[in-house]
Amino acid sequence: EVQLVESGGGLVQPGGSLRLSCAASGFTFSSYSMNWVRQAPGKGLEWVSFITTSSSIYYADSVKGRLTISRDNAKNSLYLQIISLRAEDTAVYYCARVRGSNYMDVWGKGTTVTVSS
Amino acid sequence: QSALTQPRSVSGSPGQSVTISCTGTSSDVGGYDYVSWYQHHPGKAPKLMISDVSKRPSGVPDRFSGSKSGNTASLTISGLQTEDEADYYCCSYAGRYTWVFGGGTKLTVL
Repeated sequence: EVQLVESGGGLVQPGGSLRLSCAASGFTFSSYSMNWVRQAPGKGLEWVSFITTSSSIYYADSVKGRLTISRDNAKNSLYLQIISLRAEDTAVYYCARVRGSNYMDVWGKGTTVTVSS
Repeated sequence: QSALTQPRSVSGSPGQSVTISCTGTSSDVGGYDYVSWYQHHPGKAPKLMISDVSKRPSGVPDRFSGSKSGNTASLTISGLQTEDEADYYCCSYAGRYTWVFGGGTKLTVL
């Protein structure tokens, strides 16, 4: 079964950092580009970051400088490091498999990040 | 990277049809035939319903269809069923490996 499972979320104080993980299974992870998408409480989905199979990296303007996306093909895993966390980073973070560089065909159930003192 | 514009909510009775619009700009919706639609039940993984404006992935009922005209894309759901009640998001490729989503539309099946 093709599956993505996110982990690493939790309650973090403002200014803190967090590393989210996304474990892929059921497909050849190294052959696919990947996205991170987040959803703040009561808000819509927001694209956050993209990484290609060769680890070229792209970020939404709203998060540039504080987020680092990476992947470890040997571990079939995708990561998102977030530093200097702010209240507005509070969200459910989803990883998604990208097809044809234009749509996302497999999603995880998400991991929740809460930034609060 | 402004969000695409969707109606906040739509509703319909079982068996009826509803259409959800998604308006962007020439830099996203109007510039690429790369609009996708996602169904999202809270607490679950979003599900791809339409890719490339109008392509339906395997397993998605043919009651779901997509189209685009200029800077506006649309998702039509015909023969509404109670299980269609969910949030729906449009998404457009916006160039240089960036994407933009709509604000989401809550579909209520009355």
